[in-house]
Amino acid sequence: QQQVKQSPQSLIVQKGGISIINCAYENTAFDYFPWYQQFPGKGPALLIAIRPDVSEKKEGRFTISFNKSAKQFSLHIMDSQPGDSATYFCAASKENSGGSNYKLTFGKGTLLTVNP
Amino acid sequence: DAGVIQSPRHEVTEMGQEVTLRCKPISGHNSLFWYRQTMMRGLELLIYFNNNVPIDDSGMPEDRFSAKMPNASFSTLKIQPSEPRDSAVYFCASSWTGGGPEQFFGPGTRLTVL
Repeated sequence: QQQVKQSPQSLIVQKGGISIINCAYENTAFDYFPWYQQFPGKGPALLIAIRPDVSEKKEGRFTISFNKSAKQFSLHIMDSQPGDSATYFCAASKENSGGSNYKLTFGKGTLLTVNP
Repeated sequence: DAGVIQSPRHEVTEMGQEVTLRCKPISGHNSLFWYRQTMMRGLELLIYFNNNVPIDDSGMPEDRFSAKMPNASFSTLKIQPSEPRDSAVYFCASSWTGGGPEQFFGPGTRLTVL
């Protein structure tokens, strides 16, 4: 059962353009939605994250838009640069009852290529 | 400050052999996660530990896989016997309860089973 569905699988954008990656989740108990960025040969690293009490979070050129009623969230990369070329994963998590840790469920990833 | 350390970085073995992957979490972190990454299935959580205790191993594919965390600074993931379908990149990640939900990933071990 895939609890987090991510699209598209791959995306090609011209330098300066806007990259948009979408995710949909099923479990309404999820309360933490991060995006991870992975460069070839490296492990994923946290890029930006949002909680469901806000509809948007912006950090520099990266913005998460969150739609709780539709159970969807998306990553927008403004003014995309060749250095942004990487694989992006959305994820979702529910803090366990003890508040001690978070089990992340990942989407399958989007390979972003930004052409110069 | 050192991040999550994994060894080996690459492992090539033959079907039927035992494989042991190692992970050293970031000092002070008390949660440790093992993931497997493949093209077909993406990033899958295999097992995670909190304070060295396995909390959820529902992602472990079968009895051939086992994981241990004998102390706060070391964990192993063992596959015995290995099969070609185990070929993947295995990541270890760690986090700290007081630091929120961010997980810090290691560089991964690329396993190839011939």
